[in-house]
Amino acid sequence: DAKTTQPPSMDCAEGRAANLPCNHSTISGNEYVYWYRQIHSQGPQYIIHGLKNNETNEMASLIITEDRKSSTLILPHATLRDTAVYYCIVMGTGANNLFFGTGTRLTVIP
Amino acid sequence: EPEVTQTPSHQVTQMGQEVILRCVPISNHLYFYWYRQILGQKVEFLVSFYNNEISEKSEIFDDQFSVERPDGSNFTLKIRSTKLEDSAMYFCASKRVDVSKLFFGSGTQLSVL
Repeated sequence: DAKTTQPPSMDCAEGRAANLPCNHSTISGNEYVYWYRQIHSQGPQYIIHGLKNNETNEMASLIITEDRKSSTLILPHATLRDTAVYYCIVMGTGANNLFFGTGTRLTVIP
Repeated sequence: EPEVTQTPSHQVTQMGQEVILRCVPISNHLYFYWYRQILGQKVEFLVSFYNNEISEKSEIFDDQFSVERPDGSNFTLKIRSTKLEDSAMYFCASKRVDVSKLFFGSGTQLSVL
């Protein structure tokens, strides 16, 4: 299921933007990029998803490269509560099951 | 915002005992899931359930596991004869038919002694 590659860990200063990269070089045309996060053993939480256009919501922005082989999740002003494991997941149109990799552990530092 | 509710939050059992983990999915959702997470490891897919039957299951979901939707609101995971290695956090999730976004519960921490 390892369709994505993420760095195992990153740090970010509180108040700064956190930019979390994800490589998905084998993504196919009908597959979306989803981001979830898990805060300290809580249930995973949906953040955002996109196909090819950049997306923004109240939680984050998602930048997908033109060739769709990589993407970046941006938390514009990271807070301590954003410390979590962030998962980048590729999922096809009509797919119903979600499979997690190991994600990126983001630590927001005061 | 509607939530997926899981009970109990913690369950301690003796090896070989049966346990039932309970979940109340979001009311207009029709896909239901169980995942587990062993301490320090990744979140693992166990099973998905749709239209009163298992849609997909992983290798982990062997004959010791079963799922049921006993009424219109509950979704349960039964482990028939627990083993030490079943100790984990178990997450229930649900989603609507027309979107791919899953909503997760806060989990049940199962400890098998």
